[in-house]
Amino acid sequence: QVQLVQSGSELKKPGASVKIACKASGYSFTNYGVNWVRQAPGQGLEWMGWINANTGNPTYAQGFTGRFVFSLDTSVSTAYLLISSLKAEDTAVYYCARVAGTYSVDPWGQGTLVTVSS
Amino acid sequence: QTVVTQEPSLTVSPGGTVTLTCASSTGAVTSGYYPNWFQQKPGQAPRALIYSTSNKHSWTPARFSGSLLGGKAALTLSGVQPEDEAEYYCLLYYGGAWVFGGGTKLAVL
Repeated sequence: QVQLVQSGSELKKPGASVKIACKASGYSFTNYGVNWVRQAPGQGLEWMGWINANTGNPTYAQGFTGRFVFSLDTSVSTAYLLISSLKAEDTAVYYCARVAGTYSVDPWGQGTLVTVSS
Repeated sequence: QTVVTQEPSLTVSPGGTVTLTCASSTGAVTSGYYPNWFQQKPGQAPRALIYSTSNKHSWTPARFSGSLLGGKAALTLSGVQPEDEAEYYCLLYYGGAWVFGGGTKLAVL
């Protein structure tokens, strides 16, 4: 079945970096895009941007430029989110979600909790 | 900055009907915004319900429907079930970027 499986929870210190993996299966990875979404504790969903898995071209939402980098490894059908110079306010669950040409955003990964604490 | 607005909370009785809406600060929502709707329960990832205004996924219960209503995207639940109590988010497309609404907390009482 079509699914996205994300890497496990991370506990990081301020200033460190974290790389979250989102492994796709059940479909042709390069025929779709991957959205990245953040959900801070008790808050709503926030679109961070997306990456075109065919071209590798990333698009970042306002507020997610500089410290956030989307990348791909198409050989293993995996998208990555790298967050550098972590701050306490980066503590959140991060989701990946497939984007189709029909403008359907589905399925979603199970989410990766990143906790930034000294 | 574009803002997408949803009702913060709504309450509906079991078996009733409720409509959630999704408005854009840029003006009327049209099909070109490709509205998506998601349901999220505590501790779970969002689950897609509707895409491109009114298209259902294969797992979307028949009681959920999407439409455009009065310049907004709308999600209508008819014959609400207790298990529909959840947070609902809309997502609109702005030509290369997506923006989520703030979410509607739906209580079934």
